Amino acid sequence: EVQLVQSGAEVKKPGESLKISCKGSGYSFTSYWIGWVRQMPGKGLEWMGIIYPGDSDTRYSPSFQGQVTISADKSISTAYLQWSSLKASDTAMYYCARGVVELREWYFDLWGRGTLVTVSS
Amino acid sequence: VIWMTQSPSLLSASTGDRVTISCRMSQGISSYLAWYQQKPGKAPELLIYAASTLQSGVPSRFSGSGSGTDFTLTISCLQSEDFATYYCQQYYSFPTFGGGTKVEIK
Repeated sequence: EVQLVQSGAEVKKPGESLKISCKGSGYSFTSYWIGWVRQMPGKGLEWMGIIYPGDSDTRYSPSFQGQVTISADKSISTAYLQWSSLKASDTAMYYCARGVVELREWYFDLWGRGTLVTVSS
Repeated sequence: VIWMTQSPSLLSASTGDRVTISCRMSQGISSYLAWYQQKPGKAPELLIYAASTLQSGVPSRFSGSGSGTDFTLTISCLQSEDFATYYCQQYYSFPTFGGGTKVEIK
């Protein structure tokens, strides 16, 4: 089955670090981009950035550049999203999604179920 | 940055209705537009890409049209499972999403 499996929900304190994961299976992980999308409680979707696991080429939305780090380990078909110092405003659901490139950019044809990150003191 | 205006933000409809959702861009994006459906507590699912191409497995009652700056998602005969929130997404520039349209039961 073609799927993206995300790591479980996290509860963290402000200032803590965090790394969440997204494991692809059922397709060639190194042949597709993997993007990350934030959804704050009751809000819409925001694209954060994307990585090509084949060569680790990474792009960020200007809104998230410097705020998070996206990486991948192609040997285990897993992409990551990490924070060095969480803020309460990072509380959200985070989705990984497989990116299909047309022209220069991506739409997303396969989504993980999401990882809920709660940051609270 | 390409600004997107999705309307309406809330749409009340009945089963069997024909509904249309609009997505307008601040600049032309050719046909680089996708539509997604999101049900409560679930991840989004791709419905349409390239403005009008139906993703495999998506029912034919869904259709997309438009190019340039104005796009439309149409559900020809609303079914109970279609009550959800719909998002457009442009990919002419770095991806951005519309604000969403919640389709609720009238």
